[in-house]
Amino acid sequence: NAGVMQNPRHLVRRRGQEARLRCSPMKGHSHVYWYRQLPEEGLKFMVYLQKENIIDESGMPKERFSAEFPKEGPSILRIQQVVRGDSAAYFCASSPPNEKGAQHFGDGTRLSIL
Amino acid sequence: AQTVTQSQPEMSVQEAETVTLSCTYDTSESDYYLFWYKQPPSRQMILVIRQEAYKQQNATENRFSVNFQKAAKSFSLKISDSQLGDAAMYFCAYRSAKGTGNQFYFGTGTSLTVIP
Repeated sequence: NAGVMQNPRHLVRRRGQEARLRCSPMKGHSHVYWYRQLPEEGLKFMVYLQKENIIDESGMPKERFSAEFPKEGPSILRIQQVVRGDSAAYFCASSPPNEKGAQHFGDGTRLSIL
Repeated sequence: AQTVTQSQPEMSVQEAETVTLSCTYDTSESDYYLFWYKQPPSRQMILVIRQEAYKQQNATENRFSVNFQKAAKSFSLKISDSQLGDAAMYFCAYRSAKGTGNQFYFGTGTSLTVIP
């Protein structure tokens, strides 16, 4: 039973480019969460999605960031016109419906902005 | 909003000894979950142990145990018989049990070094 799959593992972009991070939740999981981890810090919540719906985006920056979880395919976190401050590790987690306990985390995507 | 505080940025322990990592949290809720996650240099987030707030009994997983003090809002992690593989960042996390789809709130982490 595959865990949460994130790709790419590492992503390098130049300032002004777009970054697309992908997350495939565990089988049977319909809830997806994105977190950002800046160097030397804990994970900070960004957005919570269910299939085709954004439920809570209170942690998402208002500009340049967007997320989707389509009916088919992985969840995508998209960062437009990246800046140096976007360099971080981005983690995806998933949980099944009605799961009130632990979320299962992917291995993260390390985004580096040149 | 809930906050999670880890006041020890770094800790070290001699191999085979015991170490305790501290965590406090702030919430007005009565029903919630608490977790300890381990993040080795590979950056994976590995669940170490979890505690439901309504359970008075402290959770235990092999060499890992917690001291959960609900009134004091304290949730410390004890690692017994420390091994070299325990070296990692340890994050304490809180999650509400109200409804579903609740986000995690993480502390800033404690870096644990195990000395051979």
